[in-house]
Amino acid sequence: QKEVEQNSGPLSVPEGAIASLNCTYSDRGSQSFFWYRQYSGKSPELIMSIYSNGDKEDGRFTAQLNKASQYVSLLIRDSQPSDSATYLCAAADSGYSTLTFGKGTMLLVSP
Amino acid sequence: DAGITQSPRHKVTETGTPVTLRCHQTENHRYMYWYRQDPGHGLRLIHYSYGVKDTDKGEVSDGYSVSRSKTEDFLLTLESATSSQTSVYFCAISESAGGAEQYFGPGTRLTVT
Repeated sequence: QKEVEQNSGPLSVPEGAIASLNCTYSDRGSQSFFWYRQYSGKSPELIMSIYSNGDKEDGRFTAQLNKASQYVSLLIRDSQPSDSATYLCAAADSGYSTLTFGKGTMLLVSP
Repeated sequence: DAGITQSPRHKVTETGTPVTLRCHQTENHRYMYWYRQDPGHGLRLIHYSYGVKDTDKGEVSDGYSVSRSKTEDFLLTLESATSSQTSVYFCAISESAGGAEQYFGPGTRLTVT
């Protein structure tokens, strides 16, 4: 059974701080990874995708991938109260047909 | 929501009745997926489609069937609804296979009494 593990949180950070969200995956053949943001009562929204080892930056978001350690992370710089949401990590299976999602980490950013 | 609609958005039904949920896309994407989301379980794949009339099972397919007769529509049917199928159901689409981004519809909240 392929698994994606995330700490459920909540992760609480003050406004302006860096939030660090982490994820590990079990399928060593996974090549593609995604971060989704989900506000309460809403659908998941794709915010980052990463396919290669290293860092990928997009605005205040940086995704980091380490395939050797089977570890993916998301950094949110200058966190805002509007960033308060649940963040879902997903890994594509090695057959490239489906995604496995983690259960999500709740982030709370206090003003 | 990337040109994806789901209907109905909310439904309450009784145990034992059949229920069909519809996902409609205007993006002409090949892949379509049905997930359910429950507290403590996260998003779990029910069924997916990789083309018209081409479908496959996901992690939690028991009690569900799907059909895709047109590129734009993907139907999820609960043949005989049970209380354990009370959940939020999300449809997602992708231009190519699981290695590509998936975009989600607004969801359907289903309650089985």
